[in-house]
Amino acid sequence: QKEVEQNSGPLSVPEGAIASLNCTYSDRGSQSFFWYRQYSGKSPELIMFIYSNGDKEDGRFTAQLNKASQYVSLLIRDSQPSDSATYLCAVNSGGYQKVTFGTGTKLQVIP
Amino acid sequence: DVKVTQSSRYLVKRTGEKVFLECVQDMDHENMFWYRQDPGLGLRLIYFSYDVKMKEKGDIPEGYSVSREKKERFSLILESASTNQTSMYLCASSPPLTGHSPLHFGNGTRLTVT
Repeated sequence: QKEVEQNSGPLSVPEGAIASLNCTYSDRGSQSFFWYRQYSGKSPELIMFIYSNGDKEDGRFTAQLNKASQYVSLLIRDSQPSDSATYLCAVNSGGYQKVTFGTGTKLQVIP
Repeated sequence: DVKVTQSSRYLVKRTGEKVFLECVQDMDHENMFWYRQDPGLGLRLIYFSYDVKMKEKGDIPEGYSVSREKKERFSLILESASTNQTSMYLCASSPPLTGHSPLHFGNGTRLTVT
């Protein structure tokens, strides 16, 4: 079983809709959870991190964490074509910041 | 803004060559990392370093070594390059561990081994 799992997509949503990206992880001791965005040919950039159960909002982005279900998600409201990218879920299981990445979900926002 | 600079954007090497990938960060970060990224496999950690001259193996260290002689510089070494090391290599740095410190990535080096 992979440590961090994401659906590879592509996930296609119309412009203005809500995009919902999901991630599950296997290590119950995981402490911190990150969402990175990666445009084609570019390096990943941090969008959000979350470490407490519940929701965390930042502009159009909301991260949701449910440690009991070992599930973290990212919602993008009012999706824009510029949101089209691959979204990487990353999990820190503690120690010397050993961060494990999922394989990413490709999001396509259709104008 | 944190700047992580990788010395080469594209690199083509021959099988058996010794290859050096260089990474420099300007934010005095303690932690530095080397990942490789391959389609369908995502980002996989090769090595990381939490202090000068300190290094820890990641998930796929075989065929690689690292060097960190100065805090700002972390080098990845392919002792004898092989075709299965053709990949995108990403360097990253981060502040000291809190568990919530994000990684700051360089622009990547696309290495082709022929």
